[in-house]
Amino acid sequence: EIVLTQSPATLSLSPGERATLSCRASQSITRYLAWYQQKPGQAPRLLIYEASNRATGIPARFSGSGSGTDFTLTISSLEPEDFAVYYCQQRSSWPYTFGQGTKLDI
Amino acid sequence: EVQLLESGGGLVQPGGSLRLSCVASGFTFNSYAMTWVRQAPGKGLEWVSTITASGGSTYYGDSVKGRFTISRDNSKNTLFLQMNSLRAEDTAVYYCANNLQYGGSWSGYFDSWGQGTLVTVSS
Repeated sequence: EIVLTQSPATLSLSPGERATLSCRASQSITRYLAWYQQKPGQAPRLLIYEASNRATGIPARFSGSGSGTDFTLTISSLEPEDFAVYYCQQRSSWPYTFGQGTKLDI
Repeated sequence: EVQLLESGGGLVQPGGSLRLSCVASGFTFNSYAMTWVRQAPGKGLEWVSTITASGGSTYYGDSVKGRFTISRDNSKNTLFLQMNSLRAEDTAVYYCANNLQYGGSWSGYFDSWGQGTLVTVSS
């Protein structure tokens, strides 16, 4: 099973700042990685797939990068609605796995 | 607009069974692979199971293999999860999601999600 480790566990920033979230895989997953956003009481929302492709309707301030074992989600300028929990997920091999999440706090 | 509506959750005793349903609308259901993902209270996301568009192939997480069965009825735009031999650790909100299609094929990414149904396993 591929383990995804996200860091930091919590990131405290302010609106307008840049956020950088990390996801590290226990073995190479090439670019088979997605990022999701989840707000309290809501279902997750797909942000990024295949490491760097924005999903439909996702603002340009969200970007993804990386390959192999190291991946990054960047939010260029935080909006108030961006404060949430973010998960990475790999589809490189079964079973699909998620990271433990990064909470983006004000 | 894509809509996914889960139902069937509730309180069940350890060792019991439950069948979840997910009714889909707003997209061509029989063209999409579908997935169940769960989230224990206050915890992260866990992939549970995926079924291909035709239903011909199914995949399971290790923690549910042999106990859960995913299936679908394309004539009724409905996805199912039959859960047997339930354990306390199966307590979670269960989400259904459709798998993102791109490059002409289904992917292992989860595009649209329902709001979830809560399963509680307790005596």
